[in-house]
Amino acid sequence: DGGITQSPKYLFRKEGQNVTLSCEQNLNHDAMYWYRQDPGQGLRLIYYSQIVNDFQKGDIAEGYSVSREKKESFPLTVTSAQKNPTAFYLCASSIRTSGRSYNEQFFGPGTRLTVL
Amino acid sequence: GDSVTQMEGPVTLSEEAFLTINCTYTATGYPSLFWYVQYPGEGLQLLLKATKADDKGSNKGFEATYRKETTSFHLEKGSVQVSDSAVYFCALSGDTGRRALTFGSGTRLQVQP
Repeated sequence: DGGITQSPKYLFRKEGQNVTLSCEQNLNHDAMYWYRQDPGQGLRLIYYSQIVNDFQKGDIAEGYSVSREKKESFPLTVTSAQKNPTAFYLCASSIRTSGRSYNEQFFGPGTRLTVL
Repeated sequence: GDSVTQMEGPVTLSEEAFLTINCTYTATGYPSLFWYVQYPGEGLQLLLKATKADDKGSNKGFEATYRKETTSFHLEKGSVQVSDSAVYFCALSGDTGRRALTFGSGTRLQVQP
């Protein structure tokens, strides 16, 4: 079955530690995204990547880093510089679009990160 | 920049009641509009979409019409079920630039038997 997997489902971090969240897709999608969700709020864009070896900051990139060495993988590192990292993190992917076509995004099941 | 505004929840309805969740947007150009649904502890699932003005998206009894004149994309369902209880997000994707989704804050729907 094609889809997006995220691991782990739950992650606990001590203050001052870096942690990496995994996101893998086998949909052959070019574009991948990371969103953060806080209680009672919508999703906010952290980073996105339209093609391999290229990525761009989203609206709340401070304290996060990403890499895109393979088409199917887009890991997110939450660094110690992120002051309030406790949140639900969602990864998504889509085909790369051009012109005025839409880009339906498919989401993974999410990782809940808690800072102890 | 682009933005999406949804009615605040929670919305509490009895089973078989009519549902409307309001959504309005601000965007330049010709955005595509989406409704996503999120069940507890899960990721988002696409519920329906509309890519141009006057398009009607529909799925599982839910409908929404892309109204460019009122910049709205309200979600409706004629008869809700307990299983529809979830958080619903309205979102848009611009037709230029980064193509990432801009989300509303979400509306929690609670359907009581």
